[in-house]
Amino acid sequence: GAGVSQSPSNKVTEKGKDVELRCDPISGHTALYWYRQRLGQGLEFLIYFQGNSAPDKSGLPSDRFSAERTGESVSTLTIQRTQQEDSAVYLCASSLPSGRVLNEQFFGPGTRLTVL
Amino acid sequence: AQSVSQHNHHVILSEAASLELGCNYSYGGTVNLFWYVQYPGQHLQLLLKYFSGDPLVKGIKGFEAEFIKSKFSFNLRKPSVQWSDTAEYFCAVNARGNTPLVFGKGTRLSVIA
Repeated sequence: GAGVSQSPSNKVTEKGKDVELRCDPISGHTALYWYRQRLGQGLEFLIYFQGNSAPDKSGLPSDRFSAERTGESVSTLTIQRTQQEDSAVYLCASSLPSGRVLNEQFFGPGTRLTVL
Repeated sequence: AQSVSQHNHHVILSEAASLELGCNYSYGGTVNLFWYVQYPGQHLQLLLKYFSGDPLVKGIKGFEAEFIKSKFSFNLRKPSVQWSDTAEYFCAVNARGNTPLVFGKGTRLSVIA
């Protein structure tokens, strides 16, 4: 596809369950980012992948959060033992390799997670 | 650490009014500056960006922004808003290279007829 895609678009889960969110970046984009947007807040950075380098996990709020990326394609964000404060829209973005002029991040439509 | 401050939480304007949304950032080094827009029901899309050169940058749909380095500001402007500009606007900054964006909390713009 032409843009970043994410699935599912909506996820409702019960407190304590694990959830997995998926992101398909734009083909050729080696950088991939996860953000979350809680109600009334701006976007918060969670984790960043750049090619084969070790991911930057500095934004992950707790050890319940983890993410993986397969090569330079799909990424999954996993939240274990979900809590109500995890309810948010989780956004994925991708961009061209570092050093390119544009350096623009393209965002997906997001996954709206609701923890009951 | 970087931070971004957007001064207005919600702005209500009549059609044809002029718009200015404030954005200030805190960072000691060289930065890239962005404005993103999120229309109702749609995902974030880039309005405009500043990397270097002319501090007055033009974006899509008649928007522009001016980078004032001495004020650490990157305010968004449009001379005449339309109903279709109703959306949420986010200012963002990152350091040189592919680094994560730091976003402001957003400004909701409502344009009324």
